[in-house]
Amino acid sequence: GAGVSQSPSNKVTEKGKDVELRCDPISGHTALYWYRQSLGQGLEFLIYFQGNSAPDKSGLPSDRFSAERTGGSVSTLTIQRTQQEDSAVYLCASSPRTGVGEKLFFGSGTQLSVL
Amino acid sequence: DAKTTQPNSMESNEEEPVHLPCNHSTISGTDYIHWYRQLPSQGPEYVIHGLTSNVNNRMASLAIAEDRKSSTLILHRATLRDAAVYYCIPKSYNTDKLIFGTGTRLQVFP
Repeated sequence: GAGVSQSPSNKVTEKGKDVELRCDPISGHTALYWYRQSLGQGLEFLIYFQGNSAPDKSGLPSDRFSAERTGGSVSTLTIQRTQQEDSAVYLCASSPRTGVGEKLFFGSGTQLSVL
Repeated sequence: DAKTTQPNSMESNEEEPVHLPCNHSTISGTDYIHWYRQLPSQGPEYVIHGLTSNVNNRMASLAIAEDRKSSTLILHRATLRDAAVYYCIPKSYNTDKLIFGTGTRLQVFP
């Protein structure tokens, strides 16, 4: 079946521009997560959604970062006034529901390069 | 969140078993132990998880120490495709997110 889909797969932008990254979770999955991974680093949690609500936004690095989810499905991560330190792979994951035993299914990520 | 300690890197030869250790001495009694792996240029993928008993699936086995302060992921016969970073992640009832550490980079040689 279809997995988690992220678009675009690669995005090159200029410093100061806004970017939108899209995530299509597995159909029926109520939980959706955003992570980012800088070159050679581990995964950094950004935000997660349960349905359209975001109970935990604690990982968003600054107010330039925002995310929304509509219809309990597609999610968009927006970065305003991009900076070079925003360059990273942005990964999205979904799971059927939240819970201690639930497993996450990850997409292949969006490679963001800020010049 | 419980802290984990994993070796930075390990090596194996193809067709041999691999035992990947993880220390999680601060784990609480209700934390599940999850393992994920990340192949080069891909997002992480789920491997296995457990609470107290040893667990087996088609990918691997998970051996959990009786005191739950450590666990070992066992790949029974390593293949070149198993070369990846392996993450051991305790997951609590108090949180719905996975917190990834630095993991163990496994190299597999032909």
